[in-house]
Amino acid sequence: ETGVTQTPRHLVMGMTNKKSLKCEQHLGHNAMYWYKQSAKKPLELMFVYNFKEQTENNSVPSRFSPECPNSSHLFLHLHTLQPEDSALYLCASSDPTGTRYNEQFFGPGTRLTVL
Amino acid sequence: AQSVTQLGSHVSVSEGALVLLRCNYSSSVPPYLFWYVQYPNQGLQLLLKYTTGATLVKGINGFEAEFKKSETSFHLTKPSAHMSDAAEYFCAVVADGNQFYFGTGTSLTVIP
Repeated sequence: ETGVTQTPRHLVMGMTNKKSLKCEQHLGHNAMYWYKQSAKKPLELMFVYNFKEQTENNSVPSRFSPECPNSSHLFLHLHTLQPEDSALYLCASSDPTGTRYNEQFFGPGTRLTVL
Repeated sequence: AQSVTQLGSHVSVSEGALVLLRCNYSSSVPPYLFWYVQYPNQGLQLLLKYTTGATLVKGINGFEAEFKKSETSFHLTKPSAHMSDAAEYFCAVVADGNQFYFGTGTSLTVIP
């Protein structure tokens, strides 16, 4: 497996459910990101982790809870979501210390539908 | 503050015609600029980027972009469109640290 992978690719959940999105990067990067992509809107940065420490939380509601157990894995735990949370959730990684500074590599995304 | 404006949410071109996708940015410091492409049901893939040096940047699949500081622009072009170029294109700017600011995207349709 190469690059950035995300599972599941599609998820349908009710507003009372609890689910988790998983991201794994095989690039040796030290920074990982969660983005939300909604139709007709710019990509919204949700969370940033550098060397497993959260360095950015862009006023994301507490029903979204990130977890970064190590530099290769990133989770997004979901609970009591709202229908407006339906979107494509993209994970990305980068190497802020390397020669390709600032280039982010994206996973294929998880298409989330909240009923 | 940094921001990106992509003029035209939808662009249609005939196969073989010139592709021009517009991107203007605002940044208080010298920016790094990127173009990403997103094919259906996939994540974003880097097309090209400008950091420093030559202002005309060549990317993958025959695309190129020119950084024009005086116009605060970074338009994406390709001389001859191919059917496989149909996708969503995103311009992004990075000016502070590692945070990207993306535009709203331009959907490119290629007409046979």
